[in-house]
Amino acid sequence: QVQLVQSGAEVKKPGSSVRVSCKVSGGTFSSSAFTWVRQAPGQGLEWMGGIIPIYVTTNYAQKFQGRVTISADESTATAYMDLHSLRSEDTAVYYCARGRNWFDSWGQGTLVTVSS
Amino acid sequence: NFMLTQPHSVSESPGKTVTISCTRSSGSFASTYVHWYQQRPGSAPTTIIYEDNQRPSGVPDRFSGSIDSSSNSASLTISGLKPEDEADYYCQSYDSSTLVFGGGTKVSVL
Repeated sequence: QVQLVQSGAEVKKPGSSVRVSCKVSGGTFSSSAFTWVRQAPGQGLEWMGGIIPIYVTTNYAQKFQGRVTISADESTATAYMDLHSLRSEDTAVYYCARGRNWFDSWGQGTLVTVSS
Repeated sequence: NFMLTQPHSVSESPGKTVTISCTRSSGSFASTYVHWYQQRPGSAPTTIIYEDNQRPSGVPDRFSGSIDSSSNSASLTISGLKPEDEADYYCQSYDSSTLVFGGGTKVSVL
């Protein structure tokens, strides 16, 4: 059974960056794809982008191009999402999920609060 | 890019059947799959239907998915509604390298 465990909640200042991690256990990390999805308070799900570690290929939603970096460390079976130039509208729960076009496992979510 | 449109909310009594629609604005469900996720309050989403009509292990057969190519829409049907089915449901599809979620439908069990 694949498990995705994310890092803890963060509080950040506007203009700063945040890194959220997603540690994977119980599956084949390198050949899997991992996707990041966020959910603002009271809102729906929003796709941010993803990575396939074995090919070191990333794909980002146009909305986040230039502001998000998704990476992976095969040695620790961990995927990362870095979001830069944070603004208040980035306050949301960030989820990692395994899969490229659909997702068979999800992390528990990480709340990122952007506030001055 | 395309959009996926879902009703904002549906409600029904226990034991009844509800159907949630998901209409694609452009492109075709005939050439890409649709997937459905359930999100209970305060929890992460879980997959209940993938590739139009497939259920992951552990998802009861009360949940079913279908495609109507003529209207370019997908549907999620929940039969024998139970109180624990009260949740938000999201459809999701893709086009080349872009993934899109529907806005979500809140299912209330009266």
